[in-house]
Amino acid sequence: SQQGEEDPQALSIQEGENATMNCSYKTSINNLQWYRQNSGRGLVHLILIRSNEREKHSGRLRVTLDTSKKSSSLLITASRAADTASYFCATDGLTGGTSYGKLTFGQGTILTVHP
Amino acid sequence: NAGVTQTPKFQVLKTGQSMTLQCAQDMNHEYMSWYRQDPGMGLRLIHYSVGAGITDQGEVPNGYNVSRSTTEDFPLRLLSAAPSQTSVYFCASSLSGRGNEQFFGPGTRLTVL
Repeated sequence: SQQGEEDPQALSIQEGENATMNCSYKTSINNLQWYRQNSGRGLVHLILIRSNEREKHSGRLRVTLDTSKKSSSLLITASRAADTASYFCATDGLTGGTSYGKLTFGQGTILTVHP
Repeated sequence: NAGVTQTPKFQVLKTGQSMTLQCAQDMNHEYMSWYRQDPGMGLRLIHYSVGAGITDQGEVPNGYNVSRSTTEDFPLRLLSAAPSQTSVYFCASSLSGRGNEQFFGPGTRLTVL
């Protein structure tokens, strides 16, 4: 079953614009992570936000987490053509109060940034 | 550090054949896992290991076996390949699995005819 549902499925913007991707999930989590995947390549970790955090920044990335709504968003500011990739949220869920890093991934958002 | 390495990069099998996908990491990570990625499905966890000698099933374990005899290696075995196992397979590792980022290998693209 897919824990994370991402929205939109595809996003097309111009260079310099901001890109926002949303992720919703169903069960309690230890943390939520965002990954990027360039076409035909492995996933690269972008940012991790813990369940007791509400917002986190890393360079041009801003992630928010609302555990009451079971949702997260990833904002990429001043996007570049090199940001073109698929972006996945992944939840690290709680199992009996412990977490073993069993990530559950959403289906991803395909971001295209036009130069 | 090479990070997480996977071999082979590409493989074509016939239905019923068996094979082993190799995964190795040189970061002394305790936690390793295997995922498969199918179009429109995201990644799904097949098996994972929290340390040498300890493995457990993920979301889609049927048709796959794993073992973890060393910290570095975590091979995935397909016992009798089926067309439904056509997919891209990713191996990942993390320091402990508990609230840590995971490092992914480049993937193995498997086609079962």
